[in-house]
Amino acid sequence: DVKVTQSSRYLVKRTGEKVFLECVQDMDHENMFWYRQDPGLGLRLIYFSYDVKMKEKGDIPEGYSVSREKKERFSLILESASTNQTSMYLCASSLGGVGRQETQYFGPGTRLLVL
Amino acid sequence: SQQGEEDPQALSIQEGENATMNCSYKTSINNLQWYRQNSGRGLVHLILIRSNEREKHSGRLRVTLDTSKKSSSLLITASRAADTASYFCTSGSRLTFGEGTQLTVNP
Repeated sequence: DVKVTQSSRYLVKRTGEKVFLECVQDMDHENMFWYRQDPGLGLRLIYFSYDVKMKEKGDIPEGYSVSREKKERFSLILESASTNQTSMYLCASSLGGVGRQETQYFGPGTRLLVL
Repeated sequence: SQQGEEDPQALSIQEGENATMNCSYKTSINNLQWYRQNSGRGLVHLILIRSNEREKHSGRLRVTLDTSKKSSSLLITASRAADTASYFCTSGSRLTFGEGTQLTVNP
């Protein structure tokens, strides 16, 4: 079974802090994704990566950056956290192939509260 | 821009009844997928139907696809309280998701 893990289930940070959300998958997937989920807005894609050191902006990249130094790990970085980044963050991975419509496997999510 | 909008937004039924959820999409697709999300958790893939298929079954799940109407439906038969969750459909190369249908199955 594919396993996608996220470093924290719950996180509380202060405005202006730098925040790292880590995601690890154990199935040698090429594609990895970061979403945020907010009531009334559904899931929105922040960034995705289809290879090591490659990244692509999603629909709402502003205020975020990502890092993919190793195939199994995809990090989401909030350079200076703001209260409007309080949200549920979901990481996902899929097997591979740029642009292919493939099954995504999701982590359990990180609920971030920025005070 | 999301590819996949679910209807209704919320559905409440009794255990044992069938639940039907609908999905509409905008552009042509290679396949359409349904996912489920339990409260506060990640999404879990349920079923994938390809554009050349009209119907697919998996256990108590039945998915139909009508490419002429750009719509799909998910039927859960003999529902159980454990089916309570949000259900999402998606397609498109980046798998964007809408708000889902919140299904509540009352025991």
